[in-house]
Amino acid sequence: DAGVIQSPRHEVTEMGQEVTLRCKPISGHNSLFWYRQTMMRGLELLIYFNNNVPIDDSGMPEDRFSAKMPNASFSTLKIQPSEPRDSAVYFCASSFRYRLDIQYFGAGTRLSVL
Amino acid sequence: QQPVQSPQAVILREGEDAVINCSSSKALYSVHWYRQKHGEAPVFLMILLKGGEQKGHDKISASFNEKKQQSSLYLTASQLSYSGTYFCGTGFVGDGNKLVFGAGTILRVKS
Repeated sequence: DAGVIQSPRHEVTEMGQEVTLRCKPISGHNSLFWYRQTMMRGLELLIYFNNNVPIDDSGMPEDRFSAKMPNASFSTLKIQPSEPRDSAVYFCASSFRYRLDIQYFGAGTRLSVL
Repeated sequence: QQPVQSPQAVILREGEDAVINCSSSKALYSVHWYRQKHGEAPVFLMILLKGGEQKGHDKISASFNEKKQQSSLYLTASQLSYSGTYFCGTGFVGDGNKLVFGAGTILRVKS
């Protein structure tokens, strides 16, 4: 079975540009999570969805970040405009159940904003 | 609210044992353990629920002390493949599957 699929794997962009990260969760999974990982702040939850509905976006750093889940098989995380401090590895994860379940992580997108 | 993990790093020789601790200042409902190898995604190890149960598979096990709001991960007779960064993710009542991860413990096993 295919796991969580993220694209692109690497993204290099210039400050001020729009960046869109994509995620395809495991088929049949009902919850989707976006994380950001940096050396300084570790693994932070940005937002998570249950049945395509955003449940908690308290981790989204500022209005420049937005996330959507138009259907059960696709989600995007957008940064507009991007800044150098957004450089990080962004992970998407999915789980089958809404509570007490394994989260399966994608391979991540390494974002570098110059 | 971020759980505190200790130690920050540990170096072992093959066959030695290690314990990684995860403590929370907030009442825990669940603790999830993950391992991440360099340049890869975190991989699930196990979930523990409040009630103090201990779980394990192979030579990796964990316990959850509800009264102390802490969990410990035990690695027995470590192997080279155990090297990586170990994260605990803490879950709280009413938060669904939302996890708050600790800063991680870097484990290096040498031959």
